[in-house]
Amino acid sequence: NAGVTQTPKFRVLKTGQSMTLLCAQDMNHEYMYWYRQDPGMGLRLIHYSVGEGTTAKGEVPDGYNVSRLKKQNFLLGLESAAPSQTSVYFCASKGEGNTGELFFGEGSRLTVL
Amino acid sequence: SQQGEEDPQALSIQEGENATMNCSYKTSINNLQWYRQNSGRGLVHLILIRSNEREKHSGRLRVTLDTSKKSSSLLITASRAADTASYFCATGLVGAGGTSYGKLTFGQGTILTVHP
Repeated sequence: NAGVTQTPKFRVLKTGQSMTLLCAQDMNHEYMYWYRQDPGMGLRLIHYSVGEGTTAKGEVPDGYNVSRLKKQNFLLGLESAAPSQTSVYFCASKGEGNTGELFFGEGSRLTVL
Repeated sequence: SQQGEEDPQALSIQEGENATMNCSYKTSINNLQWYRQNSGRGLVHLILIRSNEREKHSGRLRVTLDTSKKSSSLLITASRAADTASYFCATGLVGAGGTSYGKLTFGQGTILTVHP
């Protein structure tokens, strides 16, 4: 049982390039989230999904797009990367309901030059 | 500004001592959770306390919640070198219509270092 898996773990981009981060969970969770973690800022919610085919904006959605075509996968895309998007990105998932723990992936470290 | 703020930002103690970390928040919550993050790793859930609970225990962990003061504390008793990590509080807000979809707002974290 792998839990939440993120790929890639590391990536270096040049300004203006695009890329997609993939998150996969094998726990049949309804809810999935993308957070970014920056020094001194804690984790901030980018986008989230409450089920297959649905997505919604979080606290810091600008510059990112997401898709949830399959229940187990949640993709985070950067269409035109900027240095301000240099960060560590975490995917998390949770079963249905308003409360309950989030299960996190190991993170994807992105550097935009 | 951040929903959750943690204090202290860093804490350094000796093995065997107790470690106390505090979290304050601004708006109404339905639950508060604590997570641990080892360096370079993902976050791991430690404990959840609901807004109608005042105290909860799990092994060496004790969490308190004071909704009147909008604050929580995490106590780790008899700390070990393996407890060295960053600890985050996360609040689950009361969403519009009572639906928050489990979204959490995280504090900046407390870096705990336990010396052998």
